[in-house]
Amino acid sequence: KQEVTQIPAALSVPEGENLVLNCSFTDSAIYNLQWFRQDPGKGLTSLLLIQSSQREQTSGRLNASLDKSSGRSTLYIAASQPGDSATYLCAVRPSDNAGNMLTFGGGTRLMVKP
Amino acid sequence: NAGVTQTPKFRVLKTGQSMTLLCAQDMNHEYMYWYRQDPGMGLRLIHYSVGEGTTAKGEVPDGYNVSRLKKQNFLLGLESAAPSQTSVYFCASTDTGDTGELFFGEGSRLTVL
Repeated sequence: KQEVTQIPAALSVPEGENLVLNCSFTDSAIYNLQWFRQDPGKGLTSLLLIQSSQREQTSGRLNASLDKSSGRSTLYIAASQPGDSATYLCAVRPSDNAGNMLTFGGGTRLMVKP
Repeated sequence: NAGVTQTPKFRVLKTGQSMTLLCAQDMNHEYMYWYRQDPGMGLRLIHYSVGEGTTAKGEVPDGYNVSRLKKQNFLLGLESAAPSQTSVYFCASTDTGDTGELFFGEGSRLTVL
């Protein structure tokens, strides 16, 4: 059974700092990995999607990398801002693209202090 | 472009009452899901559907029923609500194409007294 772990569970940084959020998974047979952002009381917003054949994806100040063989993904946030404060979740889809087997990590709660 | 829309957004029920949550997506997605999110428990899959007329159980299906009569709609029903079903419910959908990207609704907060 796929297990997805996100460390740390919570992180507090001063504004302007570059930071890395980690996502690890136990089964490397994945189809894709997706990073989400969730603001308090809101739904999940997709940030980046990395296919299994890709090494990284970038969107603005965000960069997500994928190392399938070691079962790791990182989300790099450059020059953090208070507006980046949210919970970040990663989710893994298995290699057979089975619709029911998406596995989520527990999330990292990020606070960026002005 | 509405994406995934959930109704209602908030609801308070008494124990034993029934209700239905509606999820609608306008992206022609085949797969649709219902999750619940509870503090310290993360996202847990309740039921899912891989196409019109199909449904299947997820991780925590007890106490819930679902229907997918139309491709764009996925309904989640509580026949006899219990306090343990107090939660935030999220609907999601995804395509079966190359990306498999998952899209979420805004959530429905349900309180059972």
